[in-house]
Amino acid sequence: DIVMTQSPLSQPVTPGEPASISCRSSQSLLHGNGYNYLDWYLQKPGQSPQLLIYLVSNRASGVPDRFTGSGSGTEFTLKIRRVEAEDVGVYYCMQALQTPPTFGQGTRLEIK
Amino acid sequence: EVHLLESGGELVQPGGSLRLSCAASGFTFSSYGMSWVRQAPGKGLEWVSVISGSGGDTYYADSVKGRFTISRDNSKNTLYVQMDSLRAEDTAVYYCAKQSDIGVTGTLDYWGQGTLVTVSS
Repeated sequence: DIVMTQSPLSQPVTPGEPASISCRSSQSLLHGNGYNYLDWYLQKPGQSPQLLIYLVSNRASGVPDRFTGSGSGTEFTLKIRRVEAEDVGVYYCMQALQTPPTFGQGTRLEIK
Repeated sequence: EVHLLESGGELVQPGGSLRLSCAASGFTFSSYGMSWVRQAPGKGLEWVSVISGSGGDTYYADSVKGRFTISRDNSKNTLYVQMDSLRAEDTAVYYCAKQSDIGVTGTLDYWGQGTLVTVSS
């Protein structure tokens, strides 16, 4: 199975400041079709997970443009340009290249 | 609007069985794979099982293989998972999630609100 490793596991951020979360995979997530199968999900407090970004850099419907995904191969990054209070929660990366899909441990974003 | 509603979670004794359901609406159910993902209390997300849109392909996490059976009824727009020989470590909120295409891999683009399964004597 592909192992996903996130860092940091906790990130306190001041509103208006940027935030960045790293995700590393144990194998390349590059498919033969040229896409990297890496998604980001956000689980807000008391809610179910929601898709944030798919295929590395594509924002899901309704996701603000302050969220940006990047990377390729085995190294990926989620950046929030200016954190808002509504962004608190746990962020998970997930590889969707192979079955079983595997998640990172989660990064808890909290407001200072 | 896509809507997924899980049901069937409850307290069950170790060794017992339970069937969870996920009622889907707002999309052509048979055109998409569906997954179950669980989250133990205070823990992260763990993928459990997936079924293709036709129901012909299924896969399971090693932790549930041989004990859980995923199925779907496309005429009822409903996803199921039959859980047998339940263990304490199966205690979790179980989410159903829609795949982004008809197969068994890919993005999970919509999630239900989850149903809690507690395995305890």
